[in-house]
Amino acid sequence: GEDVEQSLFLSVREGDSSVINCTYTDSSSTYLYWYKQEPGAGLQLLTYIFSNMDMKQDQRLTVLLNKKDKHLSLRIADTQTGDSAIYFCAETIRGRRALTFGSGTRLQVQP
Amino acid sequence: EPEVTQTPSHQVTQMGQEVILRCVPISNHLYFYWYRQILGQKVEFLVSFYNNEISEKSEIFDDQFSVERPDGSNFTLKIRSTKLEDSAMYFCASSDRETQYFGPGTRLLVL
Repeated sequence: GEDVEQSLFLSVREGDSSVINCTYTDSSSTYLYWYKQEPGAGLQLLTYIFSNMDMKQDQRLTVLLNKKDKHLSLRIADTQTGDSAIYFCAETIRGRRALTFGSGTRLQVQP
Repeated sequence: EPEVTQTPSHQVTQMGQEVILRCVPISNHLYFYWYRQILGQKVEFLVSFYNNEISEKSEIFDDQFSVERPDGSNFTLKIRSTKLEDSAMYFCASSDRETQYFGPGTRLLVL
């Protein structure tokens, strides 16, 4: 079955760039997503990329997809303390709408 | 901006009791979902619902669970006889096409 993996923790200084990585196993992924979860809150959709794209940029966010290596990354430019949260990558696979989530990466931004 | 809402935010129940978790999806969305997140674990897909019927469900979604759209706005998840291991955060989501928008969740505690 499909599996999505992420590193658990990332710490950066305010103003630096953050790069959060994700790997997935299913080659029939159609869309890949990044969600943000702040303490006590729900899952906020940040951005997503279709599987036939390599890159997508949206303001401070850049998503890179390496389909050959099944690797997805989220780069946050000029990281702010308000970006401190848990970031989840997720995928859907062909023919299904269910999201399969990674375990989440906790981003800590040091002032 | 339209958003998914969920009630209650917290629910405490005794093992064996029935609970109903409520969600109001975004009004023009046609697909509805339930996910759960047991403390410290991944967000897991439970069920999706389209055109007044279940379109997809996971192995977790057994006979103890049911979903319903009782009117034009609400979407509910019923757990018939709760078990200790049902304690989790339950998220509702809705989508029009490929992007799912999540509610803030209901934290269920089964004692």
